[in-house]
Amino acid sequence: QSVLTQPPSVSGAPGQRVTISCTGSSSNIGADYEVHWYQQLPGTAPKLVIYGNNFRPSGVPDRFSGSKSGTSASLAIAGLQAEDEADYYCQSYDISLSGSYVFGTGTKVTVL
Amino acid sequence: EVQLVESGGGLVQPGGSLRLSCAASGFTFTNYWMTWVRQAPGKGLEWVANIKQDGSEKFYVDSVKGRFSVSRDNAKNSLFLQMNGLRGADTAIYYCARARKYCPAGNCYHDYWGQGTLVTVSS
Repeated sequence: QSVLTQPPSVSGAPGQRVTISCTGSSSNIGADYEVHWYQQLPGTAPKLVIYGNNFRPSGVPDRFSGSKSGTSASLAIAGLQAEDEADYYCQSYDISLSGSYVFGTGTKVTVL
Repeated sequence: EVQLVESGGGLVQPGGSLRLSCAASGFTFTNYWMTWVRQAPGKGLEWVANIKQDGSEKFYVDSVKGRFSVSRDNAKNSLFLQMNGLRGADTAIYYCARARKYCPAGNCYHDYWGQGTLVTVSS
């Protein structure tokens, strides 16, 4: 049972904007730990798309953006494209779990 | 080009042992914390362990403490995960990943991942 909760699925038409939430608590996101986001295409390893709450690694399109407020964080994908269809996971750190890195429950993004 | 290549997975009986390896190339291995992450079939990601550049600090998720041991051989640019007392719940794809930032501070993230190696624990 992850301590970071994400919606199981979100969907949008090509060109639309979708947002994925990552809800935590005062022992993780709310304790000022950074949130990072990963994209996992079917059958492949995760790929970093956002780090440090809102920074994009080199090569990640600027359609991807991140934000954080209080005990939650969000990943937004603007101008949705077919290649964005994947599972997305947030990641942070939880001080209440003997000091443990934690991943969100994961969200499946479907491009209609 | 950064590459991480895992090996050593396979089928093992409950209570058995397995040693995973991760061969790193394309970067200065001794400059980075390294992490193992696993993913059970059809499930989400779970952090398993990470290890400091010189191997002097190691951290584990509670569910594997006392059973798994992470190590590294910097001369061979290799990361290892020794898994003992394996259980069905340990069945997963195991990924090694390069960590950025100082992991004990709680802000490290993972910028490169290997393709993973599958561990199946079953009788």
